[in-house]
Amino acid sequence: GIQVEQSPPDLILQEGANSTLRCNFSDSVNNLQWFHQNPWGQLINLFYIPSGTKQNGRLSATTVATERYSLLYISSSQTTDSGVYFCAIGGSGGSNYKLTFGKGTLLTVNP
Amino acid sequence: DTEVTQTPKHLVMGMTNKKSLKCEQHMGHRAMYWYKQKAKKPPELMFVYSYEKLSINESVPSRFSPECPNSSLLNLHLHALQPEDSALYLCASSQDLGLAGGRDTQYFGPGTRLTVL
Repeated sequence: GIQVEQSPPDLILQEGANSTLRCNFSDSVNNLQWFHQNPWGQLINLFYIPSGTKQNGRLSATTVATERYSLLYISSSQTTDSGVYFCAIGGSGGSNYKLTFGKGTLLTVNP
Repeated sequence: DTEVTQTPKHLVMGMTNKKSLKCEQHMGHRAMYWYKQKAKKPPELMFVYSYEKLSINESVPSRFSPECPNSSLLNLHLHALQPEDSALYLCASSQDLGLAGGRDTQYFGPGTRLTVL
């Protein structure tokens, strides 16, 4: 099956700092989603981005499908950004909805 | 509104109990999913329903029994569970299983934390 690798596994920031999270994948994708899992376990949709670039407030994401990676940018981080960020991939060949999650990046933003 | 609700929030059960987890969405989505997430691990797909029919069973043990009574509801019936089944159970929905326009974008509920004693 498709392999998904996220880096870094852990990231500690001071409030106000910027960061870039990376997701590498092993095959062509038809579905790529970024999620934020808050400390209570809720998985929050950030982006649906199988290709291209999107922005939503302080967050933006870019997927370069031909080079098999996606980046999530967080600018001016806040303590509420803390949690685990997951990249999830759905492959081609009719398996777009079978999401395979990476192991996540644990982000801690200190005041 | 992109809300998926799940009840209960927490559940403690013994190995001989029978219990059910419930999931509801009112977004008109026709695909619904169950995931299992162990502590400090990513979610893993268990079941996929499309138009109220079971499409995918990821080799889940029969002590987990899904049911989709209508297009808005998804249940997970639990029987004779083991302590290693303790986990966060997440429900998700998407418009359907198709690709165009991101119809396969999945939206997750808050989860049910299950403890099996």
